[in-house]
Amino acid sequence: TQLLEQSPQFLSIQEGENLTVYCNSSSVFSSLQWYRQEPGEGPVLLVTVVTGGEVKKLKRLTFQFGDARKDSSLHITAAQPGDTGLYLCAGYKESYGKLTFGQGTILTVHP
Amino acid sequence: SAVISQKPSRDICQRGTSLTIQCQVDSQVTMMFWYRQQPGQSLTLIATANQGSEATYESGFVIDKFPISRPNLTFSTLTVSNMSPEDSSIYLCSVGQGSSGANVLTFGAGSRLTVL
Repeated sequence: TQLLEQSPQFLSIQEGENLTVYCNSSSVFSSLQWYRQEPGEGPVLLVTVVTGGEVKKLKRLTFQFGDARKDSSLHITAAQPGDTGLYLCAGYKESYGKLTFGQGTILTVHP
Repeated sequence: SAVISQKPSRDICQRGTSLTIQCQVDSQVTMMFWYRQQPGQSLTLIATANQGSEATYESGFVIDKFPISRPNLTFSTLTVSNMSPEDSSIYLCSVGQGSSGANVLTFGAGSRLTVL
């Protein structure tokens, strides 16, 4: 079993604050993905990172893949209420052929 | 990316009955997956739905409890059989689209099942 430890499990912050969500594993992944899910909807892909050390930016969201491809982080700058949701990291390993999901982070941004 | 229609969106069922969830994709896809999720929690893979052959089940899930059909490349069903309250969950259909070794998933909106 490939394990992905995601932290924190819950985040409750005020609008305008910054935050970081972490995703760690002892396994090396071919790629790592981040999804966001809102109530009543399925998860939606935000980004895929493939190369060790890779950094991708999506507006106020910055995603980083660790040099060893075992960990990743999601940083949100100046959070807004619209960022509220469940954030899931997921690692893909070609030898395993399936995605392994982290436990998820429930983010609530208060106006 | 593919568009997935999943139904029912929610249902309330009696213990001992069975419910079939349908998943329709707007394009032909090779890989379809069924996940289970408790609200606000992570996703657990139930099985991979294979077109033209039996589904591949993950540890802890069996065909008798969760029979799956995949008659073509755009459609699949998951049945939750002989339901108990422990089966209350969100069931999600997803399709995989690989690129550069990254098997990204597109999800349906989910079927929220409550078993009384």
